[in-house]
Amino acid sequence: GENVEQHPSTLSVQEGDSAVIKCTYSDSASNYFPWYKQELGKRPQLIIDIRSNVGEKKDQRIAVTLNKTAKHFSLHITETQPEDSAVYFCAASFTSGTYKYIFGTGTRLKVLA
Amino acid sequence: EAQVTQNPRYLITVTGKKLTVTCSQNMNHEYMSWYRQDPGLGLRQIYYSMNVEVTDKGDVPEGYKVSRKEKRNFPLILESPSPNQTSLYFCASSLSRNVPYNEQFFGPGTRLTVL
Repeated sequence: GENVEQHPSTLSVQEGDSAVIKCTYSDSASNYFPWYKQELGKRPQLIIDIRSNVGEKKDQRIAVTLNKTAKHFSLHITETQPEDSAVYFCAASFTSGTYKYIFGTGTRLKVLA
Repeated sequence: EAQVTQNPRYLITVTGKKLTVTCSQNMNHEYMSWYRQDPGLGLRQIYYSMNVEVTDKGDVPEGYKVSRKEKRNFPLILESPSPNQTSLYFCASSLSRNVPYNEQFFGPGTRLTVL
């Protein structure tokens, strides 16, 4: 069935360094890939998304890249700050006859001051 | 204020006692969805709805029911809860008319414990 694998499960970086989180999806019909950030005790919130007809998208310190051939997409955070510490989830939307969302298992990012 | 609300926020119940978690959005969104969040498993979709009277199964629908009689409401029903349904539940909605390409807005979550 459809699946999204996310790595790593935990990531610690020094403040100011970059962080990269990678996801792989199984269904080649997927065409929408959002990233959500969940702070402790809070609800998930969208931070960036990309559609299958785009290879890269940037929003200030955050960028997402998509490789449709390899079925990979990645989140890049540059110049990390303590407030970037949270759990990050990738997701893929499958539209081959259904309209499901499949989320990855999450990455706990810790930015060390 | 545009928002997704869920009630109750916390619930402790016993095995077999039927319960309903309500979800409501005031943004006129077409697409609504229920997720459960468990440690190490991320967010797993239970059911979703493309519009009024249209619902479909997500990845983990067993033991749950939903209904979409009105556009703004999407209740989650556990007819006979079991301890393995102890979890954090999120309702979400998005604008999309036909395909869910838009941002999902999540409710605050409902922490359910089934004894």
